[in-house]
Amino acid sequence: GAGVSQTPSNKVTEKGKYVELRCDPISGHTALYWYRQSLGQGPEFLIYFQGTGAADDSGLPNDRFFAVRPEGSVSTLKIQRTERGDSAVYLCASSLTGAGRVHEQFFGPGTRLTVL
Amino acid sequence: GDSVTQMEGPVTLSEEAFLTINCTYTATGYPSLFWYVQYPGEGLQLLLKATKADDKGSNKGFEATYRKETTSFHLEKGSVQVSDSAVYFCALSERGGSYIPTFGRGTSLIVHP
Repeated sequence: GAGVSQTPSNKVTEKGKYVELRCDPISGHTALYWYRQSLGQGPEFLIYFQGTGAADDSGLPNDRFFAVRPEGSVSTLKIQRTERGDSAVYLCASSLTGAGRVHEQFFGPGTRLTVL
Repeated sequence: GDSVTQMEGPVTLSEEAFLTINCTYTATGYPSLFWYVQYPGEGLQLLLKATKADDKGSNKGFEATYRKETTSFHLEKGSVQVSDSAVYFCALSERGGSYIPTFGRGTSLIVHP
């Protein structure tokens, strides 16, 4: 009955390193979204999964960013060769889906990534 | 493309004051409109929504009316409390698509006792 959870809550890494951020959505939610929120900005869309497949990855800034959701539940956002500009809070959200209806997205608390 | 413009913050009010946070939008289609709130140390949560013109969303004393003619969705509350201190985000989501919301930059509200 828990909400969306994200781990770790904080991640500090060095420039050039690889990081993985994990999201556990609400059970039964088939849609999963990743966002990035920079300081003083609203969440910026990265990628959206419907089940196991990435239905829309148009928000990924470049090919250093990749996300998977192999079993249609947990998702991992992967960032290669991190840069200082990647520092932000990475948010995950999940929702039910249904054709022709707008479903509320439930957000996790986010992972604060700091690249030194 | 779609966009959302919110008034800049912070908005600083005394308890029991009237609150308005302005939000206007640009959309290619006929979007649904949302206000999300982010309390200190917590994740975003949906505050209210409206899916068609002239609909009024309301929750926890907050209200917003979908005004298609002025492309606006201003957030109002008649009497704010210290516990309303948070960051408020206006957002829109196009129907018929994947419902990925486009967020505004957020407006910080600080309520003093």
